[in-house]
Amino acid sequence: GAVVSQHPSWVICKSGTSVKIECRSLDFQATTMFWYRQFPKQSLMLMATSNEGSKATYEQGVEKDKFLINHASLTLSTLTVTSAHPEDSSFYICSARDRGRGVHEQYFGPGTRLTVT
Amino acid sequence: KQEVTQIPAALSVPEGENLVLNCSFTDSAIYNLQWFRQDPGKGLTSLLLIQSSQREQTSGRLNASLDKSSGRSTLYIAASQPGDSATYLCAVPQGGSEKLVFGKGTKLTVNP
Repeated sequence: GAVVSQHPSWVICKSGTSVKIECRSLDFQATTMFWYRQFPKQSLMLMATSNEGSKATYEQGVEKDKFLINHASLTLSTLTVTSAHPEDSSFYICSARDRGRGVHEQYFGPGTRLTVT
Repeated sequence: KQEVTQIPAALSVPEGENLVLNCSFTDSAIYNLQWFRQDPGKGLTSLLLIQSSQREQTSGRLNASLDKSSGRSTLYIAASQPGDSATYLCAVPQGGSEKLVFGKGTKLTVNP
């Protein structure tokens, strides 16, 4: 149980285009999902917290107009990188919290490797 | 602001050795601590979650301890195997929120 998937697993796009990444909880409902970014040899940095049916909460320094987050259902959150630039190239990982469990444990997806050329 | 430090940054051991990874955090007001494993280019696999009321958790050859008052946790790996080679991350919540703060990880290499 507690499986989180991401799609696509990797994507290459041209500078100036937009890319959408999906995060799905497969066997549980997630009222809250989190989006992280990881640069090479660095740890994960939280970008934003996504709540079902409401606006996402962004961390300081993260541009909300550039990284659009939509949490349309209890099992799906999407991150759209708009007008991507090479410096947006990174590993993006989502996590989800199971609303049915009292334990505050987050389950992580396999990540999406974004390369902007 | 919560800060997490992991020592050592890298560790190389021969197969069969027991080893300890260290994690320290600055704000001891946490409700849990998680240890994760990350293989190169992959996502995170949750290994152990310790609630603040617990002192340790065990899963197979892994044992994680938590000392909230001193802001420390250790991950003990018994009888290490080459398949244990990965980066191990610890994470704690930021304040009383669900936001996780990660350490930079310990890259473990177990040599056959």
